[in-house]
Amino acid sequence: AQKITQTQPGMFVQEKEAVTLDCTYDTSDQSYGLFWYKQPSSGEMIFLIYQGSYDEQNATEGRYSLNFQKARKSANLVISASQLGDSAMYFCAMREGHQAGTALIFGKGTTLSVSS
Amino acid sequence: DSGVTQTPKHLITATGQRVTLRCSPRSGDLSVYWYQQSLDQGLQFLIQYYNGEERAKGNILERFSAQQFPDLHSELNLSSLELGDSALYFCASSVERTSTDTQYFGPGTRLTVL
Repeated sequence: AQKITQTQPGMFVQEKEAVTLDCTYDTSDQSYGLFWYKQPSSGEMIFLIYQGSYDEQNATEGRYSLNFQKARKSANLVISASQLGDSAMYFCAMREGHQAGTALIFGKGTTLSVSS
Repeated sequence: DSGVTQTPKHLITATGQRVTLRCSPRSGDLSVYWYQQSLDQGLQFLIQYYNGEERAKGNILERFSAQQFPDLHSELNLSSLELGDSALYFCASSVERTSTDTQYFGPGTRLTVL
């Protein structure tokens, strides 16, 4: 069964607008971690933001915020005030269990295109 | 710059050959993960090492092997290469001392098998 689902293969947004990238996950664990990574065309994977399953507040990192809805098992990434440099592939990932040192399970990614 | 280094950046080789990919984790990180990114399979976990010992295995083929050395750098060995092994191979490292345990990725090695 697919653990991480990103249903939007591509998203388009204009500069300075906000955009939400969807991510739903499936796990039977009570303790888990959710991550978002950015992969520009150059190929590297850049960590953006983390949300723990027990965190009561939604995570924020600069222009990135994570809309965490535990009951719906969703962890959407919100990028505010989009910039041209935000054009990239975005991956949602999950680490199951409470123990550190567990491998990540990735979704198939969403390609974000930002236009001027 | 994540602090994780990988060499080489690009590798072009022929079917049936053997290659070695190298990874140096961030300073202080004991855990190293290898992932493969291909168009049809997406990003898949291959294998993990922690402080020199194999910790977990994912979808790693028997033709592939890895090790982590005392200085904590890791090598991924791919043998009897097939066209389908062409992919971007990432190494990631983490410290495993915090609840977030974020994995930081290297720039990747792009392997092309002709």
